[in-house]
Amino acid sequence: AQSVTQLDSHVSVSEGTPVLLRCNYSSSYSPSLFWYVQHPNKGLQLLLKYTSAATLVKGINGFEAEFKKSETSFHLTKPSAHMSDAAEYFCVVSGRVGSSNTGKLIFGQGTTLQVKP
Amino acid sequence: EPEVTQTPSHQVTQMGQEVILRCVPISNHLYFYWYRQILGQKVEFLVSFYNNEISEKSEIFDDQFSVERPDGSNFTLKIRSTKLEDSAMYFCGGARGRNEKLFFGSGTQLSVL
Repeated sequence: AQSVTQLDSHVSVSEGTPVLLRCNYSSSYSPSLFWYVQHPNKGLQLLLKYTSAATLVKGINGFEAEFKKSETSFHLTKPSAHMSDAAEYFCVVSGRVGSSNTGKLIFGQGTTLQVKP
Repeated sequence: EPEVTQTPSHQVTQMGQEVILRCVPISNHLYFYWYRQILGQKVEFLVSFYNNEISEKSEIFDDQFSVERPDGSNFTLKIRSTKLEDSAMYFCGGARGRNEKLFFGSGTQLSVL
C-alpha cells in the first residue's frame, strides 16, 4: 500500500532563508508524488508533481522537489522563503492498484510553514 | 485559471440532520472526488466518481453518504444523518483524466452539533 510520512509537523524559517520540508514515501511501484499547498481559507493547490521523468521537479513559486529512490524521499525546497509562503504543505502519493494509478490521492499529515520577518 | 467552486463555505447542522455539500467542477473535468479533513488529522479520500457512477470509495464512505451529479454540472455529497464525527472540512476535486492534475475547491467546513 502507498503512504507518505511528513517528518515535521511545523517548520519555522526567517524570510529570505532556505525552506526544507521533508517527506518520505512508501510504494510498491514507481510512485506518482505531489506537493500541495493550502493557504488559509483557500483550496488545495498543486505545487509540483513527479511522475518518473526528471528526478528534480520544479514547481510554482520557486519550489522544487527531488525524488530520491534510494532514500524513498521527496523533500520540498525553496532557496529563499517569502512571507507569502506561510501555509500548510502536503506531500501526496497517488494510490495504485497493481501498476496503475487509481486517481485517488493519499495525503501526508501536513507541515505548517511559518515564515518570520 | 478556472476554479472548482464549493458551497457553502461553512455549514452548521444538528446531529441526525441531512446535509448536502455542493461543488461546481471545472467544465471539462470528467473525474470527481470528495475528500475530508477532520481537524488535526490527515486529508482523507472519501469517494471518486466517473461516468455517473462511483469508481472507488473508502471505508469512511458508508451508507450514510451518497454522491450524485444530477444535472451534469453540480457534484454533490449528501450525508443522510449527520454524526458528531462527521465534523470536518470537505474538499471537492476534479480532473480531466485519472492521471491528470487534480484541482480542489476551497472546501466546506461542516460542523455537527
